Amino acid sequence: DTAVSQTPKYLVTQMGNDKSIKCEQNLGHDTMYWYKQDSKKFLKIMFSYNNKELIINETVPNRFSPKSPDKAHLNLHINSLELGDSAVYFCASSRPGQMNTEAFFGQGTRLTVV
Amino acid sequence: SQQGEEDPQALSIQEGENATMNCSYKTSINNLQWYRQNSGRGLVHLILIRSNEREKHSGRLRVTLDTSKKSSSLLITASRAADTASYFCATALEGSQGNLIFGKGTKLSVKP
Repeated sequence: DTAVSQTPKYLVTQMGNDKSIKCEQNLGHDTMYWYKQDSKKFLKIMFSYNNKELIINETVPNRFSPKSPDKAHLNLHINSLELGDSAVYFCASSRPGQMNTEAFFGQGTRLTVV
Repeated sequence: SQQGEEDPQALSIQEGENATMNCSYKTSINNLQWYRQNSGRGLVHLILIRSNEREKHSGRLRVTLDTSKKSSSLLITASRAADTASYFCATALEGSQGNLIFGKGTKLSVKP
């Protein structure tokens, strides 16, 4: 069973489109995250959600919006896609009630904007 | 701003040799973690060391932490070809709420 799963694995789309990436975790974790990994492999946190509340919101464009229908899901919506949005996006989760413990990552979604 | 910096950026060794990677950070931390990323895959947690710990072992992995120097090292002993991957350190800052800050990683290549 996959602990943190995200779909799709690959996403190719044109500039200006709106797209979503879905993430689900079956670990019972309360905290979920979205990270962006650029072409130089640098990982940067974008958002985290704890019990459906946004607790960290890094300085990402407001074209990016996380949506959490329940604590097992944290989807990432991106509006008006730009070339610079091309990257690999990772969803992650961590244990409930214990901040600063290990994070479990999904396999990533490679987004290519053409 | 980037917190962790791994050194070296790339490391190539023969199977059976030991691999040492270093990580430096800038601010006070709650803990420091090491992750592995195989090509085209997600990150996998390897080991966590808390700020009040100095050394930790897990199988062939040995991690040290020197909070006075704000640095950590990851040693992989008796390396195998399957250890080929990128290795990242991640710091959990004091007072943060689970926000892990990653370095740029060390790309390790183990030749059979």
